[in-house]
Amino acid sequence: DTAVSQTPKYLVTQMGNDKSIKCEQNLGHDTMYWYKQDSKKFLKIMFSYNNKELIINETVPNRFSPKSPDKAHLNLHINSLELGDSAVYFCASRQGNSPLHFGNGTRLTVT
Amino acid sequence: AQSVTQLGSHVSVSEGALVLLRCNYSSSVPPYLFWYVQYPNQGLQLLLKYTTGATLVKGINGFEAEFKKSETSFHLTKPSAHMSDAAEYFCAVSVGGNNDMRFGAGTRLTVKP
Repeated sequence: DTAVSQTPKYLVTQMGNDKSIKCEQNLGHDTMYWYKQDSKKFLKIMFSYNNKELIINETVPNRFSPKSPDKAHLNLHINSLELGDSAVYFCASRQGNSPLHFGNGTRLTVT
Repeated sequence: AQSVTQLGSHVSVSEGALVLLRCNYSSSVPPYLFWYVQYPNQGLQLLLKYTTGATLVKGINGFEAEFKKSETSFHLTKPSAHMSDAAEYFCAVSVGGNNDMRFGAGTRLTVKP
């Protein structure tokens, strides 16, 4: 009965590769997010979708492309991976002004 | 846009001592405020939230926080620290009608035996 689940948990890849991270929530929330947590634990918002519509798009390189096929899913595709993309990526969801519910994170390591 | 500042990237207390983690926010409209905890290699879980109403809010694991509009603060406290409280703590802010939620830089709490 996991609320927000993301896969994979770990992702190790080489520079220049393309990879995707998937996220699904079964909470019925309208809004989903991607956050990036760097090595200093800083959490930076990347994207937010509300009912499949992109509403927040921070200054993220266009190598990052989110896609929301329906309001329960928000995937993140990353092209031409760089060393600096190494981080933990968190998916989250919320309804209205309720708190965020987070997934357990995907640790991406680019070598 | 709204923002939060957490004073002190690292706080160390002895077991049984008071825990005080500081958070100040910036918002042009009434904020919604949250505290989250992150244990190693895990996601973030909600400790407590302030939306409207009572300014002293109680959360899980004996934590509480007080919303002080005049000081634009939302500090997190716990009367007596336990070893299991050692973790990273994040303050976050959002505003009504805006899906944007911003986090502070986090405070690492260490509890000494």
